[in-house]
Amino acid sequence: EVQLLESGGGLVQPGGSLRLSCAASGFTFSSYAMSWVRQAPGKGLEWVSAISSSGHSTYYADSVKGRFTISRDNSKNTLYLQMNSLRADDTAVYYCAKFRSSQISCYYCGMDVWGQGTTVTVSS
Amino acid sequence: DIQMTQSPSSLSASVGDRVTITCRASQSISNYLNWYQQKPGKAPKLLIYAASSLQSGVPSRFSGSGSGTDFTLTISSLQPEDFATYYCQQTFSTPLTFGPGTKVDIK
Repeated sequence: EVQLLESGGGLVQPGGSLRLSCAASGFTFSSYAMSWVRQAPGKGLEWVSAISSSGHSTYYADSVKGRFTISRDNSKNTLYLQMNSLRADDTAVYYCAKFRSSQISCYYCGMDVWGQGTTVTVSS
Repeated sequence: DIQMTQSPSSLSASVGDRVTITCRASQSISNYLNWYQQKPGKAPKLLIYAASSLQSGVPSRFSGSGSGTDFTLTISSLQPEDFATYYCQQTFSTPLTFGPGTKVDIK
């Protein structure tokens, strides 16, 4: 079964750090681009970051650029999101998602597999 | 950055109704457009990619159309399990952007 399982969420103080992980199974992880998408309470979906299948190319939303770092370990079938300098507006459910392709920008590049999400709360 | 808008923001419909949701991009994105369905407390689900291609396992009552800047998602006969929020997303260029969503609820 194709599956993504996020972990690492929790309560953190403003200015703090967290590292999210996403364990993949049931597909050839190294063949697909991956992404993080978040959803603040009661709000819509916000794309956060993406990484190519090889890990050589990374992309970020302006709202997290310079604070968040996406990475992957293809030998461990795991995607990561290192989040530093966290702010209250980073509070959200964070989903990892698999692209249909090794690329991030293409006409067939929908995100076809999603994890269940992990909750990050930034509060003092 | 490419901005995505959706209309309406919400709609009320009955089982069996034909429902159409519109998505507009701030610049041409060819057919680099996806549609997702999200139910409360659940992860999004990919319905349509490349503007009109049905994702595997998605019922054929869902269809997508459009190219350039204007796109539509149509549910031909609304079923009880279709009450949800629908989002469009462009994958033409980064930052990848989602529309604000359209909530479909029961009339």
